[in-house]
Amino acid sequence: GQQVMQIPQYQHVQEGEDFTTYCNSSTTLSNIQWYKQRPGGHPVFLIQLVKSGEVKKQKRLTFQFGEAKKNSSLHITATQTTDVGTYFCAGENTNAGKSTFGDGTTLTVKP
Amino acid sequence: NAGVTQTPKFRILKIGQSMTLQCTQDMNHNYMYWYRQDPGMGLKLIYYSVGAGITDKGEVPNGYNVSRSTTEDFPLRLELAAPSQTSVYFCASSPLSNQPQHFGDGTRLSIL
Repeated sequence: GQQVMQIPQYQHVQEGEDFTTYCNSSTTLSNIQWYKQRPGGHPVFLIQLVKSGEVKKQKRLTFQFGEAKKNSSLHITATQTTDVGTYFCAGENTNAGKSTFGDGTTLTVKP
Repeated sequence: NAGVTQTPKFRILKIGQSMTLQCTQDMNHNYMYWYRQDPGMGLKLIYYSVGAGITDKGEVPNGYNVSRSTTEDFPLRLELAAPSQTSVYFCASSPLSNQPQHFGDGTRLSIL
């Protein structure tokens, strides 16, 4: 079946440093979504990428979808303590009817 | 709008007991999902439904059952609780499979 892998599993940064998490799929994806889960909370949708090579920005967050639509990344510039949480990618195969979540990258930020 | 509502928020069960986790959404979404999240881990799909009357297995369906008699409700049933089912259970919904999922607050279940 489809596998979605995320690296790293954990990332500890000093406030102000940058952060990147990577998502890789074993199959070509029709779309990829990113979610953020704060400690003790539930996943909250951040963004969806659909097109090959697509890049989207949300303030300090930059999301990319690979040319082959098998990988994606989330980059945070100048992290803040409010960025703490676990970031998940979720990829869907064409006509699969469901997405597969990666295991997430947990970000901690030291003030 | 309430979005996705899960009850109960917390529950402790004894081994062998059964229970139903409730999930209701008021957004008229076709798709609904049940996930489990073990401590420090990602989301594993248990069951999902593409519409009323239709359900399908996810990655980890063993030990669980679901039904979808209405668009709004998607209950998850544990028949014989086992310690391995201790987890946080999230229900989610989306209009279509390729659209964002809205999650409930989760049910924290411990089986002792």
